[in-house]
Amino acid sequence: KQEVTQIPAALSVPEGENLVLNCSFTDSAIYNLQWFRQDPGKGLTSLLLIQSSQREQTSGRLNASLDKSSGRSTLYIAASQPGDSATYLCAVNPSGSRLTFGEGTQLTVNP
Amino acid sequence: EAGVAQSPRYKIIEKRQSVAFWCNPISGHATLYWYQQILGQGPKLLIQFQNNGVVDDSQLPKDRFSAERLKGVDSTLKIQPAKLEDSAVYLCASSLDWGPDAYEQYFGPGTRLTVT
Repeated sequence: KQEVTQIPAALSVPEGENLVLNCSFTDSAIYNLQWFRQDPGKGLTSLLLIQSSQREQTSGRLNASLDKSSGRSTLYIAASQPGDSATYLCAVNPSGSRLTFGEGTQLTVNP
Repeated sequence: EAGVAQSPRYKIIEKRQSVAFWCNPISGHATLYWYQQILGQGPKLLIQFQNNGVVDDSQLPKDRFSAERLKGVDSTLKIQPAKLEDSAVYLCASSLDWGPDAYEQYFGPGTRLTVT
């Protein structure tokens, strides 16, 4: 059974700091991995999708990496801003259909 | 491009009552998903449709939950009767298709259900 773990559960940083969120999964047989952002009371916004054949994806200040063999992904946020405050969720797609989610990292960026 | 639409956004009911949620996916998306997100946890898949057929409902509590997608577009999720532990956010998502090509899933804003 695929399990996804995100560390840390919560993170508080000052504005401008670079930070890394971690995601690990137990079964390396995945089709892709997605990082989402969730604001309080809102749905999920897709940030980056990494196909199983890729090692990283970049979008603006965000960079996500994938190491299938070790079952790990990281989300790097450069020059963090207060508007980045949200919960970040990692999800793996083991079968081409359902996503298996971690429990998320709650990020607070302090002005 | 319009996103995934869901209604209502909030619902409060008493236990043993019934409730229904509605979802309209992104136009042209063949695959539709319903997820349940309990506070402090990641979303968990309840049911997946491909057009109007069910692909995966292995985690749907079928004694009280039902879902349909009659014309392969909109979908409704129903709970009857509701229990206290059904309090959660119900998220609808859609994707162009599903399978090894790894289609991206797009989520709606969710319906927050409180059962008292």
